[in-house]
Amino acid sequence: DAGVIQSPRHEVTEMGQEVTLRCKPISGHNSLFWYRQTMMRGLELLIYFNNNVPIDDSGMPEDRFSAKMPNASFSTLKIQPSEPRDSAVYFCASSTEGENTEAFFGQGTRLTVV
Amino acid sequence: SQQGEEDPQALSIQEGENATMNCSYKTSINNLQWYRQNSGRGLVHLILIRSNEREKHSGRLRVTLDTSKKSSSLLITASRAADTASYFCATGRQGGKLIFGQGTELSVKP
Repeated sequence: DAGVIQSPRHEVTEMGQEVTLRCKPISGHNSLFWYRQTMMRGLELLIYFNNNVPIDDSGMPEDRFSAKMPNASFSTLKIQPSEPRDSAVYFCASSTEGENTEAFFGQGTRLTVV
Repeated sequence: SQQGEEDPQALSIQEGENATMNCSYKTSINNLQWYRQNSGRGLVHLILIRSNEREKHSGRLRVTLDTSKKSSSLLITASRAADTASYFCATGRQGGKLIFGQGTELSVKP
């Protein structure tokens, strides 16, 4: 398996533009997580899905952020409109279903909003 | 804050020495996990200890968990320069939710 695949690896966009980050989880994994990593706030859980259903989105910072998982093999995180403070590395991770399972991380998308 | 706390924030040791990192958390957990992150890369899972376990070993790694104190420690024995990375603890909670600490930056000098 190729692991969790995220695209793009790097994204530079202008303030106010829409940004879409993509994630393909490991086949057979039922849980998917979106995290944001910054120096100031560390690694924050934004949202996670079980069996394509959003379970907890309490970490989504504002209405400008939205996430979808239309099927078991694809998820998107959208920011509209983007702001400079959204600049961060965004990670997607997936795991098998269950209470005691490890998460597998993608390589991340480095987002810069100018 | 959703995160727990780790200490130290940064640790610098010589190759061959042991490195100990600590993690404290605030809520009830199903498990506690440790991950490693090399600069510019994604996190890699190292070890998972369940809430009913007290100690676990994997190679040069030893993890302890004290649920009464809500704390865990990661010991890396006989460290190598290749162990240089950031190390994060993560608490596994109800429903599979996984919350990370702020991390410890470990530097192992050859």
